[in-house]
Amino acid sequence: AQTVTQSQPEMSVQEAETVTLSCTYDTSESDYYLFWYKQPPSRQMILVIRQEAYKQQNATENRFSVNFQKAAKSFSLKISDSQLGDAAMYFCAYRSSGIFGNEKLTFGTGTRLTIIP
Amino acid sequence: GAVVSQHPSRVICKSGTSVKIECRSLDFQATTMFWYRQFPKKSLMLMATSNEGSKATYEQGVEKDKFLINHASLTLSTLTVTSAHPEDSSFYICSARMGQINSPLHFGNGTRLTVT
Repeated sequence: AQTVTQSQPEMSVQEAETVTLSCTYDTSESDYYLFWYKQPPSRQMILVIRQEAYKQQNATENRFSVNFQKAAKSFSLKISDSQLGDAAMYFCAYRSSGIFGNEKLTFGTGTRLTIIP
Repeated sequence: GAVVSQHPSRVICKSGTSVKIECRSLDFQATTMFWYRQFPKKSLMLMATSNEGSKATYEQGVEKDKFLINHASLTLSTLTVTSAHPEDSSFYICSARMGQINSPLHFGNGTRLTVT
């Protein structure tokens, strides 16, 4: 079974600075997807960024980028120019891929990010 | 863009009663929907996978007779918590897949269930 570990329960960063959230995972599969989801106080789960394991290039979405290290099974999220609206709980998630893959999303325990004005 | 709506957002019920939570895909057809449960300050745990027109697939440890799932149409899945007890109090979130397998999942805004 796959597991996802987020070792930082809480993080804080000054507004406009950069912060990196860590995530490691364990799997025996070679093809899969990794995600970062944001859950603000409204509790709505919002997809921040997605990475396909077969792609060596790190995904980026505006101020959000990942550092995907497949061999190390590491998938960190970097938020640049942090904004007050970035304050939320961030979850790292894993999903198998392929037609016969299990679509189940396995989530980490989350990192609560606080933005300091 | 794609939107998944959950209703109600909050519900309080008495112990022993049943509660139905709806999950709707508003502008797309969802052949597959997923139901998650989130305990306070905890991660999301998948409860079951709901497939339109067939029986739901439950995760190990989830009581299928207690958490009834019905996916009668391509835009609606319902989760019914039967004979609710205080330990069922939690945050329930649904998600839906738009399109083919490996398409992104869209989440509803969740339902806070409190059983008194």
